[in-house]
Amino acid sequence: EQQVQQSPASLVLQEGENAELQCSFSIFTNQVQWFYQRPGGRLVSLLYNPSGTKQSGRLTSTTVIKERRSSLHISSSQITDSGTYLCAMGLSGSFNKLTFGAGTRLAVCP
Amino acid sequence: EAAVTQSPRNKVAVTGGKVTLSCNQTNNHNNMYWYRQDTGHGLRLIHYSYGAGSTEKGDIPDGYKASRPSQENFSLILELATPSQTSVYFCASGDSGAPYEQYFGPGTRLTVL
Repeated sequence: EQQVQQSPASLVLQEGENAELQCSFSIFTNQVQWFYQRPGGRLVSLLYNPSGTKQSGRLTSTTVIKERRSSLHISSSQITDSGTYLCAMGLSGSFNKLTFGAGTRLAVCP
Repeated sequence: EAAVTQSPRNKVAVTGGKVTLSCNQTNNHNNMYWYRQDTGHGLRLIHYSYGAGSTEKGDIPDGYKASRPSQENFSLILELATPSQTSVYFCASGDSGAPYEQYFGPGTRLTVL
């Protein structure tokens, strides 16, 4: 059974601080996607990063396939970054089904 | 970004009743998925489809059926709803080729009394 572990489970930051979220996989994967979700809200795709490093604004994801892990770095956090960050893995050729981690709940305080 | 819509957004059903959740996507993606999200379990795959007319079981298909009558539409059907099916349901779509991103709908909050 494919498993995704995310750490930390929760994180509290002061506005302006950086955050590093981690994701590890039980198997080798060639599909990694990071999502953001507000309570009761839609999953918003942040980055699709199957390997290497990708950046989008203040977000940087690094995926190391051989180590079965991915990270999401949030720089200069803002109050509006508060919410849950979900990591998901999948395998192309298996209809790209995703397996999700439990998420990291981020709270950014003023 | 892919446009995925779901209806209804909220639904209250009675135990034993039939419930149909609908999903529509407008980006001509081949693959569509139904997930449920529960505290303590995260998101779990119920059914998926790789094209019109196809449906496949995901990780937790028991008590659910799916229907894909067209490229754009994918329904999740609860023939005999139970309180354990109270959850938030998300539909997603994605292309069959790279990049393998999935795009999610806004979710349907289902309460079975």
